[in-house]
Amino acid sequence: EADIYQTPRYLVIGTGKKITLECSQTMGHDKMYWYQQDPGMELHLIHYSYGVNSTEKGDLSSESTVSRIRTEHFPLTLESARPSHTSQYLCASSEGSGVGGYTFGSGTRLTVV
Amino acid sequence: KNQVEQSPQSLIILEGKNCTLQCNYTVSPFSNLRWYKQDTGRGPVSLTIMTFSENTKSNGRYTATLDADTKQSSLHITASQLSDSASYICVVSDRGSTLGRLYFGRGTQLTVWP
Repeated sequence: EADIYQTPRYLVIGTGKKITLECSQTMGHDKMYWYQQDPGMELHLIHYSYGVNSTEKGDLSSESTVSRIRTEHFPLTLESARPSHTSQYLCASSEGSGVGGYTFGSGTRLTVV
Repeated sequence: KNQVEQSPQSLIILEGKNCTLQCNYTVSPFSNLRWYKQDTGRGPVSLTIMTFSENTKSNGRYTATLDADTKQSSLHITASQLSDSASYICVVSDRGSTLGRLYFGRGTQLTVWP
């Protein structure tokens, strides 16, 4: 019974296309995050948000952009996809203190051909 | 540099056996340590979370321990099942920033054979 939803689960797209990865949570969490994960590697934070109209870049440089117009929604956009963007993208959200629940979505596996 | 190191990188055990996964960290100041299970192609799912004052936490057949003095944690899996095959990730949070930054290990890939 996932409380954080990501769509699509899998996406294969051609180089140069614009894509948006969707992430929604129903827990009312203020903090939301996007991570990038390559096979066998650790998760890297690429974007985070403290709340509506708040977005920041994470540790790993990314050509993607994010927006936070509503508390429950945190989409990630790539204006022009490239093969180097091929990866798994994980969305997460947490309670205000960060000590409690920290929930991940099921991820979007993106392949750019 | 804050780091989380996990060992072994991969492990194969037979169904019904026990195993222990290790996590060493250098994150400071320490806030909490979490263990996650990540099935292939899925997002991580929380198993346990421990703060500085806790040295053990159980969740069914999973038991995590924490030694904050030596900055070590372990995850013990009892009576393994085929469904335990997954990557187990150690995640440490610091309390030195408003974000409560998370530091991720690369995970231990566990395979349980019948």
